[in-house]
Amino acid sequence: AQSVTQLDSQVPVFEEAPVELRCNYSSSVSVYLFWYVQYPNQGLQLLLKYLSGSTLVKGINGFEAEFNKSQTSFHLRKPSVHISDTAEYFCAVSAFSGGFKTIFGAGTRLFVKA
Amino acid sequence: DGGITQSPKYLFRKEGQNVTLSCEQNLNHDAMYWYRQDPGQGLRLIYYSQIVNDFQKGDIAEGYSVSREKKESFPLTVTSAQKNPTAFYLCASSLPQKNTEAFFGQGTRLTVV
Repeated sequence: AQSVTQLDSQVPVFEEAPVELRCNYSSSVSVYLFWYVQYPNQGLQLLLKYLSGSTLVKGINGFEAEFNKSQTSFHLRKPSVHISDTAEYFCAVSAFSGGFKTIFGAGTRLFVKA
Repeated sequence: DGGITQSPKYLFRKEGQNVTLSCEQNLNHDAMYWYRQDPGQGLRLIYYSQIVNDFQKGDIAEGYSVSREKKESFPLTVTSAQKNPTAFYLCASSLPQKNTEAFFGQGTRLTVV
């Protein structure tokens, strides 16, 4: 069975500073990896996804993530954050394990301060 | 515009009552899902359906029921057997292939009063 661990429940950062949100996963089979963003009282929106190929994936709103198979990680980064990036971010893993399933991490709340 | 519509956005229920949350999609997706979201716990899968007239239990199905009579619709009923139903409920859909992302509705916040 697969699992996802988001290592930080909250990340406070000042505006225009860089940020990294960490995600580690475990799986005995090949996985597909996703990052979603959720603004208050809304659904989730896809930021980016890794399916295969280049390990550096670029997404919307200036975010990018790097797939590291040896470290089983998929950390999300942005070089300069804005106040509007304040939201909750979810890492997700999709794999076939007795049926196709997607597992979500517990979420990381990014709080951008002026 | 294509998308997923959940209704209502806010729902209040008295203890002991069943309540049904609506989820409709016009994306022509075969797969649909219901998740429950509680603070600090991420999303937990309640039920999912890969095709019309078929659905499977997720990790926390007890106290919930679903139906999938039409491709576009996947309503969730929260029964009186659900011991702690107050939560934010999210419906999602996707193409059935494993490498596609899920598209989410705006959620329904259920409060038991």
